Amino acid sequence: GESVGLHLPTLSVQEGDNSIINCAYSNSASDYFIWYKQESGKGPQFIIDIRSNMDKRQGQRVTVLLNKTVKHLSLQIAATQPGDSAVYFCAETPGSGNTGKLIFGQGTTLQVKP
Amino acid sequence: EAQVTQNPRYLITVTGKKLTVTCSQNMNHEYMSWYRQDPGLGLRQIYYSMNVEVTDKGDVPEGYKVSRKEKRNFPLILESPSPNQTSLYFCASSPRQGVSTEAFFGQGTRLTVV
Repeated sequence: GESVGLHLPTLSVQEGDNSIINCAYSNSASDYFIWYKQESGKGPQFIIDIRSNMDKRQGQRVTVLLNKTVKHLSLQIAATQPGDSAVYFCAETPGSGNTGKLIFGQGTTLQVKP
Repeated sequence: EAQVTQNPRYLITVTGKKLTVTCSQNMNHEYMSWYRQDPGLGLRQIYYSMNVEVTDKGDVPEGYKVSRKEKRNFPLILESPSPNQTSLYFCASSPRQGVSTEAFFGQGTRLTVV
């Protein structure tokens, strides 16, 4: 069946270090892969997405890498800051094109130590 | 201010008493969607709508109804709530036509069914 999962429920990093959050997915036909950030008491916030025909996409301080061979997605955050502390979710749009469906992983909690 | 607004933010109700959670967006987005968030299960899609009068089931539609009579509103209806529908609910909308990825989420509605 379809599933999106994250390797670690919690990741703790030192302020200023780079963070890497990983995600494994199972649906080879998914067209988009997305990362969301959810701060305590708030709704998820879109960070960055990547289409299946790409293997890397960069945003401001963030980079998403997609390895379709091993069905692996990662989010790299450069120079992690206290404000990056949150739960991070990966998600995918199953099927080709964008059908409107969105499947989320369970989330990784990023803790930034001062 | 561009936003997705859900009401109410908190609700405690009794089993079987019909309720509606409203969702409104002021960004003229065509795509809207509802999710529930439960500990250990992440976010799961309930229903989504690609446009006015177009709705489709997500992964967990049982016990829920939606309608999309106008672009800005996408209410979630629980005809006969049960305790297993106790959850944190999020509404989201997306700016690109028919694309679910870059979604803006509301602040959430915490529902308790006793």
